Amino acid sequence: DGGITQSPKYLFRKEGQNVTLSCEQNLNHDAMYWYRQDPGQGLRLIYYSQIVNDFQKGDIAEGYSVSREKKESFPLTVTSAQKNPTAFYLCASRLAGDTGELFFGEGSRLTVL
Amino acid sequence: EDKVVQSPLSLVVHEGDTVTLNCSYEVTNFRSLLWYKQEKKAPTFLFMLTSSGIEKKSGRLSSILDKKELFSILNITATQTGDSAVYLCAVDTSGTYKYIFGTGTRLKVLA
Repeated sequence: DGGITQSPKYLFRKEGQNVTLSCEQNLNHDAMYWYRQDPGQGLRLIYYSQIVNDFQKGDIAEGYSVSREKKESFPLTVTSAQKNPTAFYLCASRLAGDTGELFFGEGSRLTVL
Repeated sequence: EDKVVQSPLSLVVHEGDTVTLNCSYEVTNFRSLLWYKQEKKAPTFLFMLTSSGIEKKSGRLSSILDKKELFSILNITATQTGDSAVYLCAVDTSGTYKYIFGTGTRLKVLA
């Protein structure tokens, strides 16, 4: 079955630690995205990538980093510089082209202790 | 600055009621508007509306796009408890591959 796999689903982190959230897709999609969702809020864009080895900052990129070394993978690192990292993180992807729907993973919930 | 605004923020109705959710937008280079339903985790796709497809319907759900007035509505008729969710509206802007999301409308349907 094609889809987007995010791991881990739940993650606890101590303050000052970096953590990496995994996102893998087997949909052969070109573009991949990371969104952050806080309680009662919509999705805010962290980073996105249209092609391998290229990515752009979204609206809230500070304290986060990404890489896109392979088409199917787009890991997100939450660094210690992110002041309020506790949130629900969603990875998404879509095909290149004029327009199209975003497909989402199941999400990763990060809690900083 | 591009923005998408949804209203109301939350809504409580009884089973069988009809609801209308609103999404207005101000963006440069509009390409499409998408509706998603989010229950627990991943948002699930409902509709995509573009200049060539301004009305969509699937069962009890329907949506229209008004490109002149820059808004869309999502209608749900004969609501059921399973419709309880957060409904998200997103706008795709051409040339950027960016999707801008609204804050969502939280719908609760009481039995």
